[in-house]
Amino acid sequence: DSGVTQTPKHLITATGQRVTLRCSPRSGDLSVYWYQQSLDQGLQFLIQYYNGEERAKGNILERFSAQQFPDLHSELNLSSLELGDSALYFCASSVRDQTGTYNEQFFGPGTRLTVL
Amino acid sequence: DQQVKQNSPSLSVQEGRISILNCDYTNSMFDYFLWYKKYPAEGPTFLISISSIKDKNEDGRFTVFLNKSAKHLSLHIVPSQPGDSAVYFCAASGYSGAGSYQLTFGKGTKLSVIP
Repeated sequence: DSGVTQTPKHLITATGQRVTLRCSPRSGDLSVYWYQQSLDQGLQFLIQYYNGEERAKGNILERFSAQQFPDLHSELNLSSLELGDSALYFCASSVRDQTGTYNEQFFGPGTRLTVL
Repeated sequence: DQQVKQNSPSLSVQEGRISILNCDYTNSMFDYFLWYKKYPAEGPTFLISISSIKDKNEDGRFTVFLNKSAKHLSLHIVPSQPGDSAVYFCAASGYSGAGSYQLTFGKGTKLSVIP
């Protein structure tokens, strides 16, 4: 158990809909990262938040957005869903984000999104 | 443009033998490399890492080798055990500004250790 929790575990929805995925980082971790894993693909970095502020963006679509709340949990919002958005979405957290230091990322179990 | 490549989607090894998983990267700005292990229905779990200033890091049965000139790293598992059967992801990190260290992942190699 990494200490990172994600809800829900599974989500089935229809095209055009909007969903929210939730992540609670490990206690004390300030950074939250979101990744997408599509079929036969590696994990693709989407976005990072650090202590409530957006820190870095990766291959995140404009239809997707995220935020990190004062209690440090994070939500990933996916809207106008398309069939191709079906994937595993992982959240990871790390303890700090100091320049010059890599900080190990701990992953949650993921949310499997199926768009029909 | 895949910056981290794992060219072998799968690998089968007999129990007790050595497993060698390979990874190539293209971005010379990467300065930290990691291997993650993933079981079905679970998130990736950190296994071992290596800084670009080293060429080898060992942790029990797991050793990671880095060849910077070839932009190649490998994970050696000796001896392989059935419980090692999982998908192994190679990942690389480099400072991307504003205090951010993103991970770039390969597509993974599925290791099957046969009893």
